Amino acid sequence: ETGVTQSPTHLIKTRGQQVTLRCSSQSGHNTVSWYQQALGQGPQFIFQYYREEENGRGNFPPRFSGLQFPNYSSELNVNALELDDSALYLCASSEAVGLTKNIQYFGAGTRLSVL
Amino acid sequence: DQQVKQNSPSLSVQEGRISILNCDYTNSMFDYFLWYKKYPAEGPTFLISISSIKDKNEDGRFTVFLNKSAKHLSLHIVPSQPGDSAVYFCAASASRNKLVFGAGTILRVKS
Repeated sequence: ETGVTQSPTHLIKTRGQQVTLRCSSQSGHNTVSWYQQALGQGPQFIFQYYREEENGRGNFPPRFSGLQFPNYSSELNVNALELDDSALYLCASSEAVGLTKNIQYFGAGTRLSVL
Repeated sequence: DQQVKQNSPSLSVQEGRISILNCDYTNSMFDYFLWYKKYPAEGPTFLISISSIKDKNEDGRFTVFLNKSAKHLSLHIVPSQPGDSAVYFCAASASRNKLVFGAGTILRVKS
């Protein structure tokens, strides 16, 4: 059984650029969530995708957008990068949406640095 | 607003003793709670969870206690081992999609 994989592991961008981060969900999981973890803080929910549709969004501006593909993999896109976007971006997959037992399994993350 | 709080940034425990990590929450709509462990350069790893209809859940050396009236949960690790040294995150769920995380507690188990 393959776990959640994310690419790339590290990325350096300059302010104003755009970035795309990728995530492959765990085998058998059809729901993908994205989180941003700033230094010294817990992960913060960006949004979740289920069956290629957005299923919930956290307090992030529209320049954060995502996609989910038919094979349940996902992308996180961030436009017009700002210095404060520097963080660890985590992808998590889960079995299905709407379950009380909302266990999400995380990848190792992509470390984004914006200069 | 911090709906989930872990007030102890760090905890140091001797090997073989009990580790107790605490978490408080403010949102009474939370009905599912989880603990994750995170090593450097790795993603958070699911450890144990508890539904709001229970007050205790055990899995080997790990036990989670939930006190709904106090809006408090704790994770007990007995006995603690050096390999348990990591950052522990408490998380809560109400909406069946997002998890709300605390800021984490660094646990150091000394041998």
